[in-house]
Formats: sequence, C-alpha cells, structure tokens
Amino acid sequence: GESVGLHLPTLSVQEGDNSIINCAYSNSASDYFIWYKQESGKGPQFIIDIRSNMDKRQGQRVTVLLNKTVKHLSLQIAATQPGDSAVYFCAENKSGSYIPTFGRGTSLIVHP
Amino acid sequence: SQTIHQWPATLVQPVGSPLSLECTVEGTSNPNLYWYRQAAGRGLQLLFYSVGIGQISSEVPQNLSASRPQDRQFILSSKKLLLSDSGFYLCAWSTQGGGTEAFFGQGTRLTVV
Repeated sequence: GESVGLHLPTLSVQEGDNSIINCAYSNSASDYFIWYKQESGKGPQFIIDIRSNMDKRQGQRVTVLLNKTVKHLSLQIAATQPGDSAVYFCAENKSGSYIPTFGRGTSLIVHP
Repeated sequence: SQTIHQWPATLVQPVGSPLSLECTVEGTSNPNLYWYRQAAGRGLQLLFYSVGIGQISSEVPQNLSASRPQDRQFILSSKKLLLSDSGFYLCAWSTQGGGTEAFFGQGTRLTVV
C-alpha cells in the first residue's frame, strides 16, 4: 500500500512519561485490530489486540483504544521505559480474512 | 507452543545469483503463511501468502517467487537477484480461517551487492 514507501514518523519521549501512538485505519468492515512492536533487526511481536465490540482494552502498562466512528486506534504506554524504544505497527483485519493490513508504523524513541 | 523458524538471519549475495529463504512453523497445522519485505525505516510490504500446500498468492509482481512444498514450510526464491531485492524479509503465520494475529519470524537481512 501507500504506507510501505514512506519514512516512519517518530515520537520522542522522556523515560517515565506516558506515550500515545496513533493509527488511522481504512476499512470500516475491519473488526479486529492488533498492535505490534518491532525492535531493531527483529520481527514484529504481538503486544495487544482488540475486537470491534470493545472500545478499550488494557494490558500490562499498555492500553489500546478503538474509536470506530472515526476509524482511529491508539496505543498508550504508561511510564515509558528505554526498552520500549521500537517501531510500533497497528494492523487491521476482518473475520475470515487471511490478510491483515498493516499501518505505516511509528518509531518510538525513549530518552533516559 | 507454536514457533516459527526463519533462516538465514543475514545473507549477502551478488547480483544475478539465486536466492532461497526458508521458513518453518512448528506446533500448528494448516497455518496461513506469509512473506513480507521491509525496506530500512519503512513499513511492511506483503509479497506472498499461502492458505494451503501448493497454494500461493502473489501480492506484487516482481523478481521473487514462493513455494509451499509442505504444510508448515514456506520458501522464498529468486532465480536472479537484483540490487532492488535488498531488504529485510519476514516470514509470518496465522491461524487457519483468518481474522487473527500474525506471528513473525526473526527476519532475514538480505544485501544484494
């Protein structure tokens, strides 16, 4: 898609601050959303997911918010740590679909 | 538990040489399998996906091909590499039926020189 060729946006935060990473999705029929974390030189790893029948889901230090009205997804990281520095991707999918659609990715840089 | 293995981790190949990257999944049956490419500092580009043995769908026309000779084995190949084939290649799997998360391998850094 169009997002593949673009440089990643960057979010810089101080250690201990809360981070919010945003994602706009395109398909109003999507009913499953995932956040991935990709550390340098590694494959993306699953962080948290949410289905369209929910608008908020919490994990350990992470919260995902879903606003279906404006097709917006966000990932909140509490008390950000240097180890949280990575690229974060959102992905949308639909029940029965084999192919998730990945967002552009955001590079999170945490300064000690 | 399920695991995905992808190798090699890094590869330097001359232009015009062939390529074979292998990916295997353990602990699950009949997974959906995917090959993605990621240029430095960029997003994920889906190259191929497979929903079963011998079933390959290509998302972008290019110099690469994929094969699935066994249920849990996915191979990415090229007969003659181009400089533009350089990148970070990721294999992934998801549960049959779709609509679930994908699990990624650790990736292969390919440099074509």
